[in-house]
Amino acid sequence: EADIYQTPRYLVIGTGKKITLECSQTMGHDKMYWYQQDPGMELHLIHYSYGVNSTEKGDLSSESTVSRIRTEHFPLTLESARPSHTSQYLCASSDGAGQQVATNEKLFFGSGTQLSVL
Amino acid sequence: KNQVEQSPQSLIILEGKNCTLQCNYTVSPFSNLRWYKQDTGRGPVSLTIMTFSENTKSNGRYTATLDADTKQSSLHITASQLSDSASYICVVSDRGSTLGRLYFGRGTQLTVWP
Repeated sequence: EADIYQTPRYLVIGTGKKITLECSQTMGHDKMYWYQQDPGMELHLIHYSYGVNSTEKGDLSSESTVSRIRTEHFPLTLESARPSHTSQYLCASSDGAGQQVATNEKLFFGSGTQLSVL
Repeated sequence: KNQVEQSPQSLIILEGKNCTLQCNYTVSPFSNLRWYKQDTGRGPVSLTIMTFSENTKSNGRYTATLDADTKQSSLHITASQLSDSASYICVVSDRGSTLGRLYFGRGTQLTVWP
C-alpha cells in the first residue's frame, strides 16, 4: 500500500470558487505529479515537481497552479473553478531521481479527488 | 506521434475464466512498459514493469508479455476473480526526453461476473 494521500476524495463546488486539492506522501520522494483523468480517457500530466521549489507545467494546459514548499506536500490550487474543471485529479510520486523516468522507477498514485463544479 | 492503444475497450468474462488484454504502442525510443490496475474511484496500482530485454513478467495471476520488435504487449489474467474487475492501463515510457515522458493508454475496462 502506497503512503500517498489525497484530500478531499470528493468535492462539489460552485463556479468561481477557489479550491485547493491536497496531496501528501510520507515516502520521502522527490518527484511528484498531478494528473487529470476523465472517464474512459487516458491520464494527462498537468504539473510535476522534481523537488522542493521545483514545479513545471505538464502536457495538458491547465488553469491550476501548484507549489512545493516541503518534500512531502504538493497542493494544487484552482483560483476560480469552472464547470470545465470537473474531472478526477490524481496525485502521484515516484522513487526516482533526475528528469528521466528510470527503468525500475516506481510510480505510486493517491486515491484521487473527484471534483464537480456546478 | 507517440501513442498507446489498448484493446478491447471493455471486456466481460465469467469468474474463473482467463482473458488477455492488448496494448500496441508507437512510443520511440522505447524505455519501459508498465501495466497498472485501477479500481473504480481509486488511483492506479502497478502490476508489472518491463524493459526492452524482457519478454515476459509475472505477478501472481497476472502475466505480461512484451514484443519490442512489433511494439506490442499483452496482459494475461488467469483464473479471474470478482476482484479483478477494474480498468487495466498500459503505460509506456520513452528515453532521451528530458521530461521522461509517460504515455498512458485509455485502459481496458474488465468486468468479472459470478
